[in-house]
Amino acid sequence: KAGVTQTPRYLIKTRGQQVTLSCSPISGHRSVSWYQQTPGQGLQFLFEYFSETQRNKGNFPGRFSGRQFSNSRSEMNVSTLELGDSALYLCASSLDKASYEQYFGPGTRLTVT
Amino acid sequence: DAKTTQPTSMDCAEGRAANLPCNHSTISGNEYVYWYRQIHSQGPQYIIHGLKNNETNEMASLIITEDRKSSTLILPHATLRDTAVYYCIVRVANSGYALNFGKGTSLLVTP
Repeated sequence: KAGVTQTPRYLIKTRGQQVTLSCSPISGHRSVSWYQQTPGQGLQFLFEYFSETQRNKGNFPGRFSGRQFSNSRSEMNVSTLELGDSALYLCASSLDKASYEQYFGPGTRLTVT
Repeated sequence: DAKTTQPTSMDCAEGRAANLPCNHSTISGNEYVYWYRQIHSQGPQYIIHGLKNNETNEMASLIITEDRKSSTLILPHATLRDTAVYYCIVRVANSGYALNFGKGTSLLVTP
């Protein structure tokens, strides 16, 4: 079956703009998590959604937000972009709350200029 | 979640076994050991997990010491495609899906 898909794959934005990234989980998966990866900080957890509800949130400012739709697809939004937001944004899906495995998408490479 | 310690980098010859160690001396009784890897420019990939017993799947074997303070991921016949950063993660099952990846071990498989 198809894996986790993320769109767009690459994005260039200017400081102060806002951006929306999309993630489609594996069919049947109900949990979606988002991570930010930068060379300096590594992989950092942003937030997790299950059945349209945010269950966990990492230590990121309120400019980072997300949501999940009834079909489990998820979006994350970053407002008032800063240069430091340049990163690879990864989405991962899991079957349900009891799953041990997360399946990651290829990521969206965001560059803020 | 318990903290883990991994070597920064390791080398392995193609065809040989790659043994990647992980120290998790503060692990608690209900915490599992998970291994993920990230090949360059791709998202992380789940490899294997375990609680107490040794585990094996089509990708790798996981050996956990009896006191559970350390573990070793074994890739029995490493190939060039196994070159990646390997992350050892310790967490309680069903505690939410935030994975603390840490720095991991950069494994280079050479011809």
